[in-house]
Order: sequence, then C-alpha cells, then structure tokens
Amino acid sequence: DTAVSQTPKYLVTQMGNDKSIKCEQNLGHDTMYWYKQDSKKFLKIMFSYNNKELIINETVPNRFSPKSPDKAHLNLHINSLELGDSAVYFCASSLGTGDSPLHFGNGTRLTVT
Amino acid sequence: TQLLEQSPQFLSIQEGENLTVYCNSSSVFSSLQWYRQEPGEGPVLLVTVVTGGEVKKLKRLTFQFGDARKDSSLHITAAQPGDTGLYLCAGAVDAGGTSYGKLTFGQGTILTVHP
Repeated sequence: DTAVSQTPKYLVTQMGNDKSIKCEQNLGHDTMYWYKQDSKKFLKIMFSYNNKELIINETVPNRFSPKSPDKAHLNLHINSLELGDSAVYFCASSLGTGDSPLHFGNGTRLTVT
Repeated sequence: TQLLEQSPQFLSIQEGENLTVYCNSSSVFSSLQWYRQEPGEGPVLLVTVVTGGEVKKLKRLTFQFGDARKDSSLHITAAQPGDTGLYLCAGAVDAGGTSYGKLTFGQGTILTVHP
C-alpha cells in the first residue's frame, strides 16, 4: 500500500482556472505538508498541518488554500492559476518532531499554460 | 532564515569513481537528513545524522555531520549507474518542540553515473 498518495499525477490547465490536488497518508502521522519543487529542483515548504491545524504558512499567496478534513488528508486548492505556479507539488507527512523524516508522495506536476 | 548551500549542483562521473557532496550552512541544525529523489518520484530518506562529528555508513555511502552541526557531507565510493539521482540535504531546527518537523532543504545535487 502506498504510504503517501497524491492525485492527480499530472495537471495541465490554463491561466485563471481553479484546481485542487488531493493527498492522503496511511502512516498514522500527525503532521502533513505541502512542498513546491521548482524547475531547478529546489524544494520549499508551503504549508504544514498538525492534527488538522495550520502550523506553518510560508508566505504563500492567498490563492493557495490548504484544507485538512482529518489528519490523514491534506488537500491543496489553487485559485486563479498563474504561469509561475507551474511546478511539482509534493505532499509529505511525518511524526512532526524536529528530527522526524518526511515521507513524500510522488508529486503532482502542474503545468499552467 | 536558515540556508543550506549544497555543492556541487551537478556531478557527472564514470562508474567506479568516488564522489563527495557537501552541505554547508552558517546556522546550527539539530539534525541533518539526506534524501535521494528519482525522476517522477518523491524524495526518499537515506539517513539522519544528529550528533556533531557523527559518521554513518550505508553500504557505499558515508554520511558525516560536522562537529559544529553546521555542515554535512555525503561520500559515495565506487559509484554505480543505479546511484544516479537528485541528492538533497535538509536541516532541522529544534525550536523547543514547536518546529513540527520543518526542514530547510539544500538546492540539491544532480548526480549522473555513466556506465
């Protein structure tokens, strides 16, 4: 069974559209994250949720809205997509302590045209 | 803001060669993790080092955490084509239990090992 699964794998859409990416983890972790990986492979944290509560919000535009219906799910909704939003978005989970390793999903490649 | 400088950014070598990837910062980290990412997949943890001066070995991979916990290195002996991938270092800061696992990633090293 896949530990952290996110859908869709690929997302191609036009500027101005609204889209969502879903993420689920079956590891029993309390903390979930969204990371953005740009074209140069740099991974940057966007959000972190602990037990459904927002913990980290790293200066992400308001067009990005995470939602955690329960601690096993963290979805990402993006409004009014822009060209610069094109990237690979990774969902991850962990136990939430400082040294806890992250378990990543396989990413969603978003292309905005 | 903690920054991690990872070098080199690109590394292209022949099978059998040795290589070292460096991860440096001016900040102190409570621990440092190394991940490997293959195309189309998410990063996968290789190792976590937590003690200054610590050395960990994983088959042909040797990881070292600097004494001051500001830097780390990954050394691969006798590289194989299967080692090809993106290697990422990530530092964790102990914020008194409130960091909730926030990691700062280096820029990554894209390693290509040619047969």
